[in-house]
Amino acid sequence: EAEVAQSPRYKITEKSQAVAFWCDPISGHATLYWYRQILGQGPELLVQFQDESVVDDSQLPKDRFSAERLKGVDSTLKIQPAELGDSAMYLCASSLEGTATEAFFGQGTRLTVV
Amino acid sequence: GDSVTQMEGPVTLSEEAFLTINCTYTATGYPSLFWYVQYPGEGLQLLLKATKADDKGSNKGFEATYRKETTSFHLEKGSVQVSDSAVYFCALASGGGADGLTFGKGTHLIIQP
Repeated sequence: EAEVAQSPRYKITEKSQAVAFWCDPISGHATLYWYRQILGQGPELLVQFQDESVVDDSQLPKDRFSAERLKGVDSTLKIQPAELGDSAMYLCASSLEGTATEAFFGQGTRLTVV
Repeated sequence: GDSVTQMEGPVTLSEEAFLTINCTYTATGYPSLFWYVQYPGEGLQLLLKATKADDKGSNKGFEATYRKETTSFHLEKGSVQVSDSAVYFCALASGGGADGLTFGKGTHLIIQP
């Protein structure tokens, strides 16, 4: 069964270091999302791609976060420098075409900043 | 901006009890509404959805009706099982499908045998 792949599953990093997460969406899915889920909260959208273009990054802290999807397939989310408050689950999701079609989520990357 | 409010958890029920998890929303226009479920150790999965007023979404015995007049999308199940124990998230998408999902905080459901 097709699924959204994310790596790593867990990451511990020191404050002020750089960290990167990778996502491989389901084949053929044009829309890719990155969400951040703080413990005990619902996921919050960070960035949405349509193919290789950013559709919405209004909630992405651009001073330290960046995201790219160069060939419109897999994507990388980077944080530099990491801060203690960035500790959270980072979820990637993909859909065929926007939220009108079902979004499939990966298992996430659990980030702990120490 | 858009927002979703759902009942606080944890909600603890006995097996075969009736389940209701309340969800209300604030959005511009006419959003699509969703319930996602997160089982322990797994990613979020779509449970059901409704795209317009009075639509009923259903799956695995769960149901929710899109009520525009009360801006609600309450999740119900007639007889819960231990395997339904999970975290349930209500969510909306506005902007005609171009926007990402706005989620509630989640409700942790615990079903006791």
